[in-house]
Amino acid sequence: DAGVTQSPTHLIKTRGQHVTLRCSPISGHKSVSWYQQVLGQGPQFIFQYYEKEERGRGNFPDRFSARQFPNYSSELNVNALLLGDSALYLCASSRDVNEKLFFGSGTQLSVL
Amino acid sequence: GQQVMQIPQYQHVQEGEDFTTYCNSSTTLSNIQWYKQRPGGHPVFLIQLVKSGEVKKQKRLTFQFGEAKKNSSLHITATQTTDVGTYFCAGRPSGTYKYIFGTGTRLKVLA
Repeated sequence: DAGVTQSPTHLIKTRGQHVTLRCSPISGHKSVSWYQQVLGQGPQFIFQYYEKEERGRGNFPDRFSARQFPNYSSELNVNALLLGDSALYLCASSRDVNEKLFFGSGTQLSVL
Repeated sequence: GQQVMQIPQYQHVQEGEDFTTYCNSSTTLSNIQWYKQRPGGHPVFLIQLVKSGEVKKQKRLTFQFGEAKKNSSLHITATQTTDVGTYFCAGRPSGTYKYIFGTGTRLKVLA
């Protein structure tokens, strides 16, 4: 079975631009979570979706938004990019909201 | 806000020595998970603890969940070079669906 897949793997943007990151969960997993990880720090929770509904939101500005599609894949959108948005964005899927998380390899975003 | 702290931040040990990392939450947790992240990699699930006072073992690794469900620990006996990486706890505060990751403990094992 394929694991969690994320695209793109690397991305370079400039300040003020918009970015869309994509995630395909493991087959059969209905929950997708997004995390931001800055080098040397722990993953910071951004969003969790379960059955296409938002079930949790972290302490991130409204520039961050996400959605989950009927096939359980997900997109994370970030508007008006700032230099501080440069980080590794991780997507994790799980069968249910309280089960173990399977992480993708992440999207490394650099904002110049 | 809800926070999960880990100590120590870094730990260097000689191969064969033991290692322990501690995790403390500002709020009561429904359950806690532990992950390992190798340099350049993504977090990989190790174990989940649910019950107050629960202890689980995986070969040389021993995981504990505190009685108050606000703290946890991971102990590695006789470390090996393959144990190198950053260990994160991730707690799910009661009444929420999100997992809050700890600050992590980076382990280096000297051969």
